[in-house]
Amino acid sequence: GAVVSQHPSWVICKSGTSVKIECRSLDFQATTMFWYRQFPKQSLMLMATSNEGSKATYEQGVEKDKFLINHASLTLSTLTVTSAHPEDSSFYICSARLPGGHYGYTFGSGTRLTVV
Amino acid sequence: AQSVTQPDIHITVSEGASLELRCNYSYGATPYLFWYVQSPGQGLQLLLKYFSGDTLVQGIKGFEAEFKRSQSSFNLRKPSVHWSDAAEYFCAVGRNSGNTPLVFGKGTRLSVIA
Repeated sequence: GAVVSQHPSWVICKSGTSVKIECRSLDFQATTMFWYRQFPKQSLMLMATSNEGSKATYEQGVEKDKFLINHASLTLSTLTVTSAHPEDSSFYICSARLPGGHYGYTFGSGTRLTVV
Repeated sequence: AQSVTQPDIHITVSEGASLELRCNYSYGATPYLFWYVQSPGQGLQLLLKYFSGDTLVQGIKGFEAEFKRSQSSFNLRKPSVHWSDAAEYFCAVGRNSGNTPLVFGKGTRLSVIA
């Protein structure tokens, strides 16, 4: 249980275009979703926290106009990379707290974005 | 705010040898601690976690970790490493309250040689 489905697994896009990444909580309601970015051979860095029905909270240094986060329902959070550039190429992972009394986190399988 | 330090960027061990990966955390209250493993190009797999109780935690794949409050550490151990254990290992710390994210260490890359 408590699965987060992330799509796509990988995507290649041209510079200047936009890419949307989806994370769906399949069997629970995720009021909050955390979005991480991981550059090659580096750790996971928190980009933003999305809350259902309200604006996302971005970490310092993350451009909110470039990385648009929408959490329109209790089961879907999306990250849109707008006007992508090669330096946006990275591995993006979403995460949510486990529901109920279980402490822990569930993670999406990640999206490998390559901007050419 | 919480933080995690993994002092070793890269460790190489021989297959069959024992392994210890270090993790130190900083958090003002009782932390919730995790170890994850990531193979190249893959997502995260939870190895084990600590919330409270017994400070020696058993995980999957024969891994264990010991929480030492006095040393602010949560080191990961395995008595005998297999070649398939070669991967990136991340220690992470979470708060014991609120809907807050995990904070990850920089990771330790494990190489296994024959």
